Amino acid sequence: EVQLVESGGGLIQPGGSLRLSCAASGFTVSSNYMSWVRQAPGKGLEWVSVIYSGGSTYYADSVKGRFTISRDNSKNTLYLQMNSLRAEDTAVYYCARVLSWSTRGFDYWGQGTLVTVSS
Amino acid sequence: DIQMTQSPSSLSASVGDRVTITCQASQDISNYLNWYQQKPGKAPKLLIYDASNLETGVPSRFSGSGSGTDFTFTISSLQPEDIATYYCQQYDNLFTFGPGTKVDIK
Repeated sequence: EVQLVESGGGLIQPGGSLRLSCAASGFTVSSNYMSWVRQAPGKGLEWVSVIYSGGSTYYADSVKGRFTISRDNSKNTLYLQMNSLRAEDTAVYYCARVLSWSTRGFDYWGQGTLVTVSS
Repeated sequence: DIQMTQSPSSLSASVGDRVTITCQASQDISNYLNWYQQKPGKAPKLLIYDASNLETGVPSRFSGSGSGTDFTFTISSLQPEDIATYYCQQYDNLFTFGPGTKVDIK
């Protein structure tokens, strides 16, 4: 059974850093495209970042230069390193698996982890 | 960047009604368009991929159509459990979600 479990969220002051983790089971993270999607309170979905199976990474303009997506193949875990956090980064962060390289829908999602950026 | 719009932003319909949501892309995205359902407090669920293909296990009352810049999502007979917000998402150039359509029961 495919499962994604995020952790690492919490309350952080503006300008601070946080690392989110997404532990996967039932499939191999490194063989798939994996993404982070966030949702600010009461708002819609916003794509944040993707890492392709070959290792290429891409980011939304809103987080480029501040966030870094990575993976640990030995732990089958996806990460999102978030630096220089701003109030507008406050959101539930979901990790999601991309269905396939040719059909880039998000077919499995974690339960989400809440990041609150506030002083 | 590709922008996505959806209409309406919200709607109320009766059980059994046919519900239609439209999604428009700012440029031609072929059929690189997916639809999701999100219930309050839950992660989104993929319903339709590549504009018109039903994800495994999704009821057949859900359907999608369109290509290029204009897409349609339809619930043929609205059920109480369909109360949710629905999002379109393009993947022609990275990923972009539409703003969502909230569906309520009248």
